[in-house]
Amino acid sequence: QKEVEQNSGPLSVPEGAIASLNCTYSDRGSQSFFWYRQYSGKSPELIMSIYSNGDKEDGRFTAQLNKASQYVSLLIRDSQPSDSATYLCAVKGQRNNDMRFGAGTRLTVKP
Amino acid sequence: KAGVTQTPRYLIKTRGQQVTLSCSPISGHRSVSWYQQTPGQGLQFLFEYFSETQRNKGNFPGRFSGRQFSNSRSEMNVSTLELGDSALYLCASSLTGRDTEAFFGQGTRLTVV
Repeated sequence: QKEVEQNSGPLSVPEGAIASLNCTYSDRGSQSFFWYRQYSGKSPELIMSIYSNGDKEDGRFTAQLNKASQYVSLLIRDSQPSDSATYLCAVKGQRNNDMRFGAGTRLTVKP
Repeated sequence: KAGVTQTPRYLIKTRGQQVTLSCSPISGHRSVSWYQQTPGQGLQFLFEYFSETQRNKGNFPGRFSGRQFSNSRSEMNVSTLELGDSALYLCASSLTGRDTEAFFGQGTRLTVV
């Protein structure tokens, strides 16, 4: 079982729709969770961080965390073509400070 | 506020050579982590430095090493390069590394021929 798992996609949604990206992790003691966006040929850019169960909203982005289910998600409302990128889920374990990344979900928003 | 700066941006090396990559973190950040990104393996953790000490290490061979200076700048070295070392090498800086957000530099694209 991989430490951090994401659907690789590609996920395609029409402009204006809600994109839902999911991530599961294996280390039950994980404390910190992050979503990064990576455009082709660029480095990852931090979108959201979440540390507590529940929802955290920032503009069009909402991160959701359920530690009991070891599940974290990212919702993108009113998706725009500029949101087309690979979204990486990252988890920091309890024992170490290293971030473990999922393989990423490639999102395409069609005009 | 300046972001994370990595140099050089691109590098071409021959098998068997060694290479040194540099990373200057965001001012005030004391933790620097290094990652290797390849199409097949994704983002893989190499090591983390905090206050000039390696605090954590991933599962990479000893050919991969690093260090951090008193100004928090970090270098990564790869010796006896192999074709499989071709990758995007990314460094990320954070305030303390523990439960704090990490910000990536633009990366160094290494090609081994």
